[in-house]
Amino acid sequence: AQKVTQAQTEISVVEKEDVTLDCVYETRDTTYYLFWYKQPPSGELVFLIRRNSFDEQNEISGRYSWNFQKSTSSFNFTITASQVVDSAVYFCALSEAGTASKLTFGTGTRLQVTL
Amino acid sequence: DTGVSQDPRHKITKRGQNVTFRCDPISEHNRLYWYRQTLGQGPEFLTYFQNEAQLEKSRLLSDRFSAERPKGSFSTLEIQRTEQGDSAMYLCASSGGLAGTHYEQYFGPGTRLTVT
Repeated sequence: AQKVTQAQTEISVVEKEDVTLDCVYETRDTTYYLFWYKQPPSGELVFLIRRNSFDEQNEISGRYSWNFQKSTSSFNFTITASQVVDSAVYFCALSEAGTASKLTFGTGTRLQVTL
Repeated sequence: DTGVSQDPRHKITKRGQNVTFRCDPISEHNRLYWYRQTLGQGPEFLTYFQNEAQLEKSRLLSDRFSAERPKGSFSTLEIQRTEQGDSAMYLCASSGGLAGTHYEQYFGPGTRLTVT
């Protein structure tokens, strides 16, 4: 069965610091998809990125970057020069091929960015 | 594109009452999902529709829960004889894509249920 572990429950940083959120996953499938979502205080989950298991290229989008390493089953998320608006709970999620694309989420990491 | 909408946003009910929630997906999306999220946890999958067909149900979905998507557009989730353990945020999501594809899901704002 698939599983996603986000070991960091809560992280606090000062604005402009870089921060990395860890995600480790377990799956027996060779084809799977990984996602990151942001849940700000308003509560609505916001999609950030999707990555399939065949594409190990790292991705950068503005201040956000993602590092996918199949060898360690990790899909980590880095925010560069964090801002107060980045404060939210961040969820990593996994879907396996053949599972109707349902998402299995981790327990989330709460990021608090202060001035 | 107005995004996924859910109604109501909040519902307080007494134990034993029935409640029904509605979800309107993004109009061109053929897939619709229901998840449940309790405090401090990630969302947990409940059920999934491809158009009007309910194709998968989680073991979390007891027989007191029923979901429908009658015309392949909006969906309803009904909980009968509510229990305090049903208190949670109920999230709806939709996505596009053909069978076998795994596109990103877009979530609505959720319905927060409190059972007293």
